[in-house]
Amino acid sequence: DTEVTQTPKHLVMGMTNKKSLKCEQHMGHRAMYWYKQKAKKPPELMFVYSYEKLSINESVPSRFSPECPNSSLLNLHLHALQPEDSALYLCASSQERGQGYTGELFFGEGSRLTVL
Amino acid sequence: QQPVQSPQAVILREGEDAVINCSSSKALYSVHWYRQKHGEAPVFLMILLKGGEQKGHDKISASFNEKKQQSSLYLTASQLSYSGTYFCGTEMTGGGSNYKLTFGKGTLLTVNP
Repeated sequence: DTEVTQTPKHLVMGMTNKKSLKCEQHMGHRAMYWYKQKAKKPPELMFVYSYEKLSINESVPSRFSPECPNSSLLNLHLHALQPEDSALYLCASSQERGQGYTGELFFGEGSRLTVL
Repeated sequence: QQPVQSPQAVILREGEDAVINCSSSKALYSVHWYRQKHGEAPVFLMILLKGGEQKGHDKISASFNEKKQQSSLYLTASQLSYSGTYFCGTEMTGGGSNYKLTFGKGTLLTVNP
């Protein structure tokens, strides 16, 4: 199984809502990532988890709150978002450096978020 | 620091070749290449870890010139399936920058019959 599964595929939320994006992988990868991608732009790194610990936060606003409850799951909690946060949110996973790292990021198909 | 990709877009006829370039002003640990088709997730093509390293993947290959901090992706005898946006991603040299893959703006490749 080389899939990264993201849910929901589409999400529409108001600026006062609280919602969560979920990501799951069963490849045994111990590094997991959140990327944000706007239309016709490259993916931008938001967060990196390594062995379930947050290792990189790219100065992301606190209205985005990541969580890694176990080695297979990654969540992104959303609260009080702004319309400019509307984007495709991509989850990815990879082997860790000591795990036989090949450099390959396995991306999910993304959750398309619209903030009204 | 975002790598610079060129060209921004290229249109080919099936069977033609193309080169996509990626350069950085900072010392690089690695260069990664991904292809993203419209509405799909980015898909890994290859990683180059050493200066001067060349890797191949079917008719797609890449090189990495460590001295110039440049990488090039070579697509030969293009097929319709090669269409998509190609991103290079770079990791900087130095501790703490692992996993910090920064993507260039992308090159939109269109292959026509």
